[in-house]
Amino acid sequence: GQNIDQPTEMTATEGAIVQINCTYQTSGFNGLFWYQQHAGEAPTFLSYNVLDGLEEKGRFSSFLSRSKGYSYLLLKELQMKDSASYLCAVIPRSGAGSYQLTFGKGTKLSVIP
Amino acid sequence: DAGVIQSPRHEVTEMGQEVTLRCKPISGHDYLFWYRQTMMRGLELLIYFNNNVPIDDSGMPEDRFSAKMPNASFSTLKIQPSEPRDSAVYFCASRLDGGWPQHFGDGTRLSIL
Repeated sequence: GQNIDQPTEMTATEGAIVQINCTYQTSGFNGLFWYQQHAGEAPTFLSYNVLDGLEEKGRFSSFLSRSKGYSYLLLKELQMKDSASYLCAVIPRSGAGSYQLTFGKGTKLSVIP
Repeated sequence: DAGVIQSPRHEVTEMGQEVTLRCKPISGHDYLFWYRQTMMRGLELLIYFNNNVPIDDSGMPEDRFSAKMPNASFSTLKIQPSEPRDSAVYFCASRLDGGWPQHFGDGTRLSIL
């Protein structure tokens, strides 16, 4: 089966840096996504990692270590609007199953003044 | 650009009634996905289509659920008869063959009384 773990909730202060971790155990690996989901809205794409290392996109960065089955999303200079759930999702394997994402349950981030 | 369009946005109905959720994918996208999101289970894949053909329906919870894609621009998810435990937010998503990420619709918030 597929197993993706994230912390359920986190709280951080406006202007600070927060790191949201994701560990996965899946039958193969073909890439990892991070999505942001504000309450009552659709998930929106943030980042995609397929090779080890850090991908930076403005205030957001995502890191992947395939050997450790580990990723994190780093949010810098936190703003109140960053309060949302952050979903980690994995493409489990190549072949017929490589066309669907398996999602973690998400980490609800609360940014406080 | 028009994104993935879902209707209705909200549905409240009594148990035993038939429920039909509708989705229009982004024009030109080859893959269409139906997800269900609950607090307990997170975002779960129910079924996905490639070029209008159902590829994997192993996530459909039981025979009360059915999905169709009669053409490239329209899909339905039907629940008959509906039960209170079907209450959830149902998302539709689409993407291009060989292209990531998936793009989500705004979802249908379904409440079965």
